[in-house]
Amino acid sequence: GAVVSQHPSWVICKSGTSVKIECRSLDFQATTMFWYRQFPKQSLMLMATSNEGSKATYEQGVEKDKFLINHASLTLSTLTVTSAHPEDSSFYICSAHFSSVEQFFGPGTRLTVL
Amino acid sequence: KQEVTQIPAALSVPEGENLVLNCSFTDSAIYNLQWFRQDPGKGLTSLLLIQSSQREQTSGRLNASLDKSSGRSTLYIAASQPGDSATYLCAVYGSGGSYIPTFGRGTSLIVHP
Repeated sequence: GAVVSQHPSWVICKSGTSVKIECRSLDFQATTMFWYRQFPKQSLMLMATSNEGSKATYEQGVEKDKFLINHASLTLSTLTVTSAHPEDSSFYICSAHFSSVEQFFGPGTRLTVL
Repeated sequence: KQEVTQIPAALSVPEGENLVLNCSFTDSAIYNLQWFRQDPGKGLTSLLLIQSSQREQTSGRLNASLDKSSGRSTLYIAASQPGDSATYLCAVYGSGGSYIPTFGRGTSLIVHP
């Protein structure tokens, strides 16, 4: 149980385009979902926390207009990187939480912006 | 603010060795501590979750211990194998019921045949 999926697993796009990443909890309803970013040889950095039906809470330094988060249902959250640039290239990981403190992590999405 | 440090940052050992990976945290008022494995380009795989009331957890060749008072946890890997090669991350959940863990930078492990 407690499986989280992400789609796509990797994406390559041109600079200036927007990219949408989906995060789904497959076998449970997630009260809260989280988005992380990971640079090579670095740890996970929390970008934002989202609850179904409400606006996401962004961490300091994360541009909310650049990284749009939509938490449309208890099983789906999306992260849209708008007008992507090469510096946005990174590994994006989502996680979901339902009852316990523990989070369950997705497999990640590798974004490369050319 | 909680800070999590993992030592060593990298480790290369021959197959068969017993290993100890270290994790230290600055705020001992924690709720849970969790060890993850991350393969290159992949997401996180949960290995062991230790609740604050527990002192250790075991799964197969893995044993994780927790000493809240000293702000330390260790992950012990017995009889290491090449398939254990990965990055191991330590994550600490705060006692305020926060669902947001603080991660260490990880220990990159290579086990060579």
